[in-house]
Amino acid sequence: KAGVTQTPRYLIKTRGQQVTLSCSPISGHRSVSWYQQTPGQGLQFLFEYFSETQRNKGNFPGRFSGRQFSNSRSEMNVSTLELGDSALYLCASSLDGGMGGYTFGSGTRLTVV
Amino acid sequence: DQQVKQNSPSLSVQEGRISILNCDYTNSMFDYFLWYKKYPAEGPTFLISISSIKDKNEDGRFTVFLNKSAKHLSLHIVPSQPGDSAVYFCAARFSGGYNKLIFGAGTRLAVHP
Repeated sequence: KAGVTQTPRYLIKTRGQQVTLSCSPISGHRSVSWYQQTPGQGLQFLFEYFSETQRNKGNFPGRFSGRQFSNSRSEMNVSTLELGDSALYLCASSLDGGMGGYTFGSGTRLTVV
Repeated sequence: DQQVKQNSPSLSVQEGRISILNCDYTNSMFDYFLWYKKYPAEGPTFLISISSIKDKNEDGRFTVFLNKSAKHLSLHIVPSQPGDSAVYFCAARFSGGYNKLIFGAGTRLAVHP
C-alpha cells in the first residue's frame, strides 16, 4: 500500500513569505502529526490532527498552523517566514494516534533565504 | 528543557559486533518508547518500541532495554551490519499523549567492514 506522501520535496522561499506543505497519510489512517527537524535538534513536535481536529500542539509560534481535511489529508502553513524556519518538515500518520509505529513521510526540505 | 537525551552524537562499530545506542529521559510520565532509524533524504523508519511496563523487547537483531529507575533505555543491534549505518532517534510518548512524541537529537551509527 502507498506510504505517507509529502509534497513538495524541496522548497525555497524568501523571508517574509508564507508557505503551505501537504501531507497525504496512508489510506485509512486518521491521525496526522507534523514535526520539524533541524540539525542538532532532533525532531520537534508541531501539532497533531485527528478527524479534522487539532488534538495536540507543540511549542511553536502562531505563525505555524495546520489543518486536516475530511479525507485525512493535512496541510501545514508557515506565515512570515524567518531564516530559522529552514528545516526538514516531516509528517507521520497512524490509524488513531495510539501506540505503535507511526509511519513517516520523506519530508519537505524548506530553505528560507 | 530536553526531556529525551541521546548524549552520543556518533558511534562507530565494526561489522559483526554489537552496537549499543543509549537514551536518557527525565519525565516519569512517559509511557511508551520508540526507536527510529533515519537515512539521509528519507523519513524516519520505525524500528522497535517498548511499553513502560516492560523492561525488554526483542525483534530479530534489535533489542530494546528499559531501566525505569534510571530513566534509561538502550537499543542493542547484534550483529551490526553496514546497512545499519544511519541516524537513530529515541522517542518517548506521554501517557495519554496520542501522537505527540518527544525525540532525542539522534545518534549517527557507522558500521564499517
